[in-house]
Amino acid sequence: EVQLVESGGALVQSGGSLRLSCAASGFTFSSYAMSWVRQAPGRGLEWLSVISGSGGARYHADSVNGRFTISRDNSKNTLYLNMNSLRAEDTAVYYCAKKASWFGEIVFWGPGTLVTVSS
Amino acid sequence: EIVLTQSPGTLSLSPGERATLSCRASQSISSSSLAWYQQKPGQAPRLLIYGASSRATGIPDRFSGSGSGTDFILTISRLETEDFAVYYCQHYGNSPQTFGGGTKVEIK
Repeated sequence: EVQLVESGGALVQSGGSLRLSCAASGFTFSSYAMSWVRQAPGRGLEWLSVISGSGGARYHADSVNGRFTISRDNSKNTLYLNMNSLRAEDTAVYYCAKKASWFGEIVFWGPGTLVTVSS
Repeated sequence: EIVLTQSPGTLSLSPGERATLSCRASQSISSSSLAWYQQKPGQAPRLLIYGASSRATGIPDRFSGSGSGTDFILTISRLETEDFAVYYCQHYGNSPQTFGGGTKVEIK
C-alpha cells in the first residue's frame, strides 16, 4: 500500500526557515518523480515543485524559486522541501505527491502538513 | 505559464442531477496532459481523470472527462451525495504544472 507521510510543519516567524519531510513507503521511491503542492487556508491548490526519481532534475514555481528547494534521499525513501525567507503568504497546508512521471499526473497525495508563518 | 480557468466557481445541484465542469487553458495543451482531482473538506485531493479522459483506478464510471486544445470538461452523470466536493483541473505537459482555481459542487 502506497503511503506518504509529511512532517515538519510548524509555526514560524516571518523571515524564518523550515524543512518539511515526506516519508514514502509501498512503492519503489527512486523510480518516481515527486512534487510538493500547497493550499492556503480556504484557497485552491498551488503547484510548487517537482523532482526527478534520481534527484538530478528539479523545477520550482516562480513564487518560491530561490527561497524553496526540493530534494530527496532515495536511501531513506524521503522527500524534502527546504523553505527559507518565509512570508505570511506561505501559510498553507503542504502536500507531498507521487507523480506518474515527470510530465505525469499526481497519482497519490499525502495527508499534508500545516505551515503557519506569523508576521 | 499556462493559466487554467475553471467555471463555474460554484455549482448548486441536487443528487441525481448531471454536473458539467469546465476548465479552459490560456493556450493549447496536449490532451494527454490534463488531469482532474476531487477534494473533500479536510482531505487531500484524489486523482479522478488523467490524460483528459482516462479514469483513475477505482473511479466510478459516472465520472467522465473530455476535451482538447484549450477546452476541457469533467462530467458527473448522476450526482451521488459523496460527489459534493471541490474539483480541480491541472495540466502537467510542461512546467510549471499549474492547477485551475477549482469548482465547488454543492447540494442545492
